[in-house]
Amino acid sequence: EVQLVESGGGLVQPGGSLRLSCAASGFTFSNYEMNWVRQAPGKGLEWVSYISGSGSTIYYADSMKGRFTISRDNSKNSLYLQLTSLRAEDTAVYYCSRAYSTTWYGLDYWGQGTPVTVSS
Amino acid sequence: DIQMTQSPSSLSASVGDRVTITCRAGQSIDNFLIWYQQKPGKPPKLLIYAASTLQSGVPSRFSGSGSGTDFILTISSLQPEDFATYFCQQTYSAPRTFGGGTKVEIK
Repeated sequence: EVQLVESGGGLVQPGGSLRLSCAASGFTFSNYEMNWVRQAPGKGLEWVSYISGSGSTIYYADSMKGRFTISRDNSKNSLYLQLTSLRAEDTAVYYCSRAYSTTWYGLDYWGQGTPVTVSS
Repeated sequence: DIQMTQSPSSLSASVGDRVTITCRAGQSIDNFLIWYQQKPGKPPKLLIYAASTLQSGVPSRFSGSGSGTDFILTISSLQPEDFATYFCQQTYSAPRTFGGGTKVEIK
């Protein structure tokens, strides 16, 4: 059974940092592109970033470039998102999800999300 | 960046109604269009990929159509479990933008 379990969220002050983790199981992790998507309270979905299976290709949404860093450790079946210079508008639930070419890179499995609150 | 515009942003419908939701891309995205369903407090669920291919396990009352810039999600006969918010996403190029969502509510 495919499982994605996020952790690392919490309350952080503006300008602070957090490292989110996503533990994957039930599939060959290194074969899949992994994504982070966030959702602010009561708002829609916002794509954050993706990283290819090998880690060689990475993209970010424009508003997160330079502040967020995605990475993965295939030996640990884990995905990460380092958040820095956090702002109130980064408050959201952060989801990790997987994508594959056979579904046109649609996100077929999602974690339950980890909440991040940026507030003083 | 490719902007994705969904309409309507919300709609009210009754069980058994036919429902259509539109998603328009700011430029051609071929058929790299994904539809998701999201219920409150839950992560999204993949419904349709490649604009018209039903994900395994998704009921056949859901269908998708379109190519290029204009896409439609259709629910042929709305069921109680279909009341949710629906999002489109383009995966043609990064950033892989989502539409703003369409909330389907009970009439």
